[in-house]
This record gives sequence, structure tokens and C-alpha cells, in this order.
Amino acid sequence: DTAVSQTPKYLVTQMGNDKSIKCEQNLGHDTMYWYKQDSKKFLKIMFSYNNKELIINETVPNRFSPKSPDKAHLNLHINSLELGDSAVYFCASSQGTGGVGYTFGSGTRLTVV
Amino acid sequence: TQLLEQSPQFLSIQEGENLTVYCNSSSVFSSLQWYRQEPGEGPVLLVTVVTGGEVKKLKRLTFQFGDARKDSSLHITAAQPGDTGLYLCAGLGGNMLTFGGGTRLMVKP
Repeated sequence: DTAVSQTPKYLVTQMGNDKSIKCEQNLGHDTMYWYKQDSKKFLKIMFSYNNKELIINETVPNRFSPKSPDKAHLNLHINSLELGDSAVYFCASSQGTGGVGYTFGSGTRLTVV
Repeated sequence: TQLLEQSPQFLSIQEGENLTVYCNSSSVFSSLQWYRQEPGEGPVLLVTVVTGGEVKKLKRLTFQFGDARKDSSLHITAAQPGDTGLYLCAGLGGNMLTFGGGTRLMVKP
């Protein structure tokens, strides 16, 4: 069983479109995250939810809107996609906010054309 | 903003050689983690060090947390081609994990 699963694995879309990436974890963790990895492999946190509440919201355009329907799911919706949004997006989860058991999904490669 | 600098950025060595990767910051972290990432996959947690001066070993990998909890090193003994990958350090501070820029290691047979 995949611990943190993201869908889709690949996403190619045109500028201006709206798209969503889904994430689910079956580890029983209470904290979930979205990270963006750029072409130089630099990983930067975007959002973090603890028990469905937003606790970290880094400087991210408000075109990006996370939604956590329950502790096991954290989805990312992106409006009006831009070329610069092209990157690999990783979902992760942990138990608590102290970094215990940090587990990443396998990523969603988003390409905006 | 807390920054973590990793060095070297790239490392290409022959099988059997030893290597050390460094992770440095001017900030203090409550803990520091090391990850390894393969192409097309997410980072996989290797180790977490918490106490200043702490040393942890994972087979041929030795991780050390600096006394002041601002820096860390990863030493690999007798590297093997299977060690090839992107190694990332990440510091935990203020409930947030900050990643270094990564060290891309290639071990040639």
C-alpha cells in the first residue's frame, strides 16, 4: 500500500486553465504539506495543514488554494495556470508538526504550455 | 528566513571512495533531517538528528549534527553505485522544514 499517494503523476495543461492535484495518506498522520520542487531541485514548502487547519502558508500566489476535507486528504487547486507554475509538486505528511515520520508522495510533474 | 546551504552541489566519484556532504546554516534548528531522492520519486527520509553533537550511523552512512545545531554532515564510506542520487538536508524550525539545495551524487562503477 502506498503511504502517501498523489494523482495525477503527470499533468500537462495550457496557460489559463484551472487544475487540481489530489493527495491521500494512509499513515494516520495528522499533518499534511504541499511542497514545490523547481527545475534546480530546490524544495520549498507551500502549505501545511494540521488536523484540517491551515498552519503554514508561505508566500504563494492566491491562485493556489489548498483544501483538506479530512486529516487523510490534502488537495491543491490552481487557478489561471502560468508558465512559471511548471514544477514538480510533492505532498507529504507527518505525525504532529515536529517532523516525526515525514513521508513524501512520489510527486506530480506539472507542465504548463 | 532560515537558509541551509549544501556543499558540494555535485559530486562524481569512483566506487569504493569515501565522501562527505555538508549542510550549513547560520540558524539553529530543533532537528535536522537527511533525505535521498531518486529520479521521478519523492525524497525518502534517511535519518533525523536532534541533539547537538549527535552521531547516527546507517550502514555505510554516518550523520552528524553540529554542537550548535546549525550544521550537519553526511559521510559515506566505500561508496557504491547504488548510493547514486540526490541527497537533501532539511532543518526543522518553527514547525517548518527548510530544505538545502541538495547534493547530486554519482558513484561510477
